[in-house]
Amino acid sequence: EPEVTQTPSHQVTQMGQEVILRCVPISNHLYFYWYRQILGQKVEFLVSFYNNEISEKSEIFDDQFSVERPDGSNFTLKIRSTKLEDSAMYFCASKKMGVAANTGELFFGEGSRLTVL
Amino acid sequence: AQSVTQLGSHVSVSEGALVLLRCNYSSSVPPYLFWYVQYPNQGLQLLLKYTSAATLVKGINGFEAEFKKSETSFHLTKPSAHMSDAAEYFCAVGYSSASKIIFGSGTRLSIRP
Repeated sequence: EPEVTQTPSHQVTQMGQEVILRCVPISNHLYFYWYRQILGQKVEFLVSFYNNEISEKSEIFDDQFSVERPDGSNFTLKIRSTKLEDSAMYFCASKKMGVAANTGELFFGEGSRLTVL
Repeated sequence: AQSVTQLGSHVSVSEGALVLLRCNYSSSVPPYLFWYVQYPNQGLQLLLKYTSAATLVKGINGFEAEFKKSETSFHLTKPSAHMSDAAEYFCAVGYSSASKIIFGSGTRLSIRP
């Protein structure tokens, strides 16, 4: 069964460093998302991406964050200068397109745990 | 605006007992509703989804949920809890097939032997 894959599974970085989290969505999906989950808290929406541009973003997704689909398969989240409060689990998700096939569900990856020291 | 409220951050039941996890939603349009499960140190797995085809939705692992428009609820149930059901459960709402989904705060389910 096709799945969303994320790398790395865990990254430790120093405050102020740049981090890139990578995702390979399911191949026939066209909507892509990043969510984050701070330890013990709810899953929060960061950004959605469609047709090579951001379709929606939350207040969390400030100028320190960016997303990119550099080729036909990868979808990346970059944090330019990490802060302690960026420590969280980051989930990538993707969604099908097409009325008949699209029931609105998101398919999630296993997550990338980011620890900022 | 769409939102979802999960009543009870922690629910504990005995093995074999009924599981009931509560979810109420707010949506200005007919919602898409979901329950996801997160096992410790794992990602989010879809348990079941409501997309207006039927009000009683059956999911994986014996879970089901009923959409009640009059109560704006989508509670998750399982007749008999199993130890392997211990996990975090998230209710989520979307307002179209193309939109993001918004998660509730989650309910941690514990199962007592």
